[in-house]
Amino acid sequence: KNEVEQSPQNLTAQEGEFITINCSYSVGISALHWLQQHPGGGIVSLFMLSSGKKKHGRLIATINIQEKHSSLHITASHPRDSAVYICAVGSGETSGSRLTFGEGTQLTVNP
Amino acid sequence: DAGVIQSPRHEVTEMGQEVTLRCKPISGHDYLFWYRQTMMRGLELLIYFNNNVPIDDSGMPEDRFSAKMPNASFSTLKIQPSEPRDSAVYFCASSLGGLYNEQFFGPGTRLTVL
Repeated sequence: KNEVEQSPQNLTAQEGEFITINCSYSVGISALHWLQQHPGGGIVSLFMLSSGKKKHGRLIATINIQEKHSSLHITASHPRDSAVYICAVGSGETSGSRLTFGEGTQLTVNP
Repeated sequence: DAGVIQSPRHEVTEMGQEVTLRCKPISGHDYLFWYRQTMMRGLELLIYFNNNVPIDDSGMPEDRFSAKMPNASFSTLKIQPSEPRDSAVYFCASSLGGLYNEQFFGPGTRLTVL
């Protein structure tokens, strides 16, 4: 069993749909990253969170430390949201800490 | 700001050759990270620096890999000798404040070792 698991692996949606991507982890956590990788390969950091909830535009990220689970929500999805979304769990203090990555969720939003 | 700059964008080399990848972080950022991405293993953090000092290199796969940061605006990742299994996309990223702060990624270097 991987230390960081994402679901689903692939997701196809119609424009306008509400989307949820899940990340479950088994390692101790200091913080959790959500990353977006565009079809061209570029990577963008979406959120870094250690508790609660963060919102940026149509994107919302939540984390439940007790349940070791985080979700990324996209409201009113658009074809430009098509990308791979990657969860990364940070554990340990800054010195000697590490990031463990999920395998990513491939999202396709059709017009 | 131009963002994180990596060079070359593509590198094709033969097994046994030395490969050097370069990175210029965003000015003012105090952390620099090197990542590798492959189909088999996904994204992996190889090494990161704080104020030009290596903090954690536990992700470096083996002694053939080495990274340096001689100053705040330049870092290299070297593979010597290169092997076909080193073929991957190598990303450099930088941040202000640490591993758990927002990271800004470069466009990556696609390395192919024949």
